[in-house]
Amino acid sequence: GAVVSQHPSWVICKSGTSVKIECRSLDFQATTMFWYRQFPKQSLMLMATSNEGSKATYEQGVEKDKFLINHASLTLSTLTVTSAHPEDSSFYICSASQVGHGYTFGSGTRLTVV
Amino acid sequence: AQRVTQPEKLLSVFKGAPVELKCNYSYSGSPELFWYVQYSRQRLQLLLRHISRESIKGFTADLNKGETSFHLKKPFAQEEDSAMYYCALSGSSNTGKLIFGQGTTLQVKP
Repeated sequence: GAVVSQHPSWVICKSGTSVKIECRSLDFQATTMFWYRQFPKQSLMLMATSNEGSKATYEQGVEKDKFLINHASLTLSTLTVTSAHPEDSSFYICSASQVGHGYTFGSGTRLTVV
Repeated sequence: AQRVTQPEKLLSVFKGAPVELKCNYSYSGSPELFWYVQYSRQRLQLLLRHISRESIKGFTADLNKGETSFHLKKPFAQEEDSAMYYCALSGSSNTGKLIFGQGTTLQVKP
């Protein structure tokens, strides 16, 4: 079946630094990729939708300059948390979709900003 | 606006008891509804989608457009069903954005 690989699975960074999270579709070409944020014991909040080769569409309230999304190919999307602060600490999950494959989720990245 | 509501944060039942996880949605067009499951320390997995009308691990869900509901049911709960369950809605083709409900933790006691 369709597999999405997300790396790293966890990262600790210092306040003020930037962190990049990668999301790869391993055995299919993803038409669209989605980035979610999940707070402890809460649901997944959609942050942005990205299509290969075009700018990401951000949900209301999500700072596009803070959360940079690049979708350079049909198999890779990256989320960069710029100038991270402790309040950015969270669990970030990517999802890739393609017609016929539905939605496939990565295993998530636990970001801790200290 | 798209919205998915799961009214119960926690549902606790005994093994062998019937289970119903509630999901209501709000969408002006024809949505596609899904149930996802997240077992402890694992990634989200698709459990059901309404268009396929199949039964997975004994779970079924029927889309009721009149009541705008997509409740998840299983006649006899098993301990291994203990997990977090999310109802989700997509508003266009299945590559449109997926909006999740708040999630319900199902706890099946022995």
